[in-house]
Amino acid sequence: DTEVTQTPKHLVMGMTNKKSLKCEQHMGHRAMYWYKQKAKKPPELMFVYSYEKLSINESVPSRFSPECPNSSLLNLHLHALQPEDSALYLCASSQTRAGRSSYNEQFFGPGTRLTVL
Amino acid sequence: KQEVTQIPAALSVPEGENLVLNCSFTDSAIYNLQWFRQDPGKGLTSLLLIQSSQREQTSGRLNASLDKSSGRSTLYIAASQPGDSATYLCAGRNTGNQFYFGTGTSLTVIP
Repeated sequence: DTEVTQTPKHLVMGMTNKKSLKCEQHMGHRAMYWYKQKAKKPPELMFVYSYEKLSINESVPSRFSPECPNSSLLNLHLHALQPEDSALYLCASSQTRAGRSSYNEQFFGPGTRLTVL
Repeated sequence: KQEVTQIPAALSVPEGENLVLNCSFTDSAIYNLQWFRQDPGKGLTSLLLIQSSQREQTSGRLNASLDKSSGRSTLYIAASQPGDSATYLCAGRNTGNQFYFGTGTSLTVIP
């Protein structure tokens, strides 16, 4: 299984709502990533988890809260978002070896299209 | 901070042509470089990964090269087909595990 799945595919939420995005992989990868992509722009890295620990946070606002409950799952909790947060949110995973700079090929999910009203 | 640029931004070619997409990066301390394609509104599909110790990788009609000293990577597509129409993105990972995407090349292959 070389697939990364993401749910939901589409999400519409108001600025006062709380929602979560979910990502799952069963490739045994121990690095998982969240990216944000605006229209006609490249993906921008938000968070990196390595062995279920947050290793990179690219100065993302606190209204985005990541969580990695186990080696196969990655969540992104959303609260009090702004309309400018509307984007395609992509999850990815890759192999890595603990304590070494050896992150390898990234595999991406299909994304969640988020609209904030 | 690593800056990754892709030229051209858009490219339109007739079916059957061979073509080259370019990717330039500013920081030669690159750990690996990966090429992706993205169809409109979809996720990214990995095409090729080149480690810093390698100079090229091939998969079917695709060939990617990496020249760290000049800060360049190229993706060569042979005998282009309409199904190759997509946006192509390169992404470099540096030794600090930061991962930077290029600006992308939008490719249209005309039947």
